[in-house]
Amino acid sequence: AQSVTQLDSQVPVFEEAPVELRCNYSSSVSVYLFWYVQYPNQGLQLLLKYLSGSTLVKGINGFEAEFNKSQTSFHLRKPSVHISDTAEYFCAVTYTGGFKTIFGAGTRLFVKA
Amino acid sequence: GAGVSQSPSNKVTEKGKDVELRCDPISGHTALYWYRQRLGQGLEFLIYFQGNSAPDKSGLPSDRFSAERTGESVSTLTIQRTQQEDSAVYLCASSLGRIGSGEQYFGPGTRLTVT
Repeated sequence: AQSVTQLDSQVPVFEEAPVELRCNYSSSVSVYLFWYVQYPNQGLQLLLKYLSGSTLVKGINGFEAEFNKSQTSFHLRKPSVHISDTAEYFCAVTYTGGFKTIFGAGTRLFVKA
Repeated sequence: GAGVSQSPSNKVTEKGKDVELRCDPISGHTALYWYRQRLGQGLEFLIYFQGNSAPDKSGLPSDRFSAERTGESVSTLTIQRTQQEDSAVYLCASSLGRIGSGEQYFGPGTRLTVT
């Protein structure tokens, strides 16, 4: 079955430190990959997406993600986090030719002063 | 409106009662999705509407769940004879077009509590 695994349920990190949120998906067939963010008491919004082309994708708020087909991964990174980055981050996969998007369980990023 | 709206924002109901949740997608978005998010878990796909095509209901967990959409506008998700395990946040999203590469725009969700 198709699945998305976010390896860390919670990631605490100090302000201005780098962070990586891990995401792996279950199949190596062609995919579209997404990261969504849910700030406290707000709805989900798109952070970035990979459709094709360059495997390094840049998104909003200084985040970037790298698509690694051989490892079926799409890890999210930021070189220096801010308190305002505290939120829940969801990795999602849509298999090309389809429409059903599969979401991971989410990673709660908690940035400490 | 500017975004996806959902109503009510919160709903508390007694076990065995029916509930109806509403979603207003962004105007012009032909695709509409319903998800369920249980506490501490990811989003669980429920159902997908695309234009006038037959909806994909493969994610509905039981026959107590049903959904309708009027053309390319409002959608309602109905849960009959609610159970405590139905307690969750129900999210609606809409997107342009049929291809799965499109960004989904999410509503704020309806928090359902079954007592």
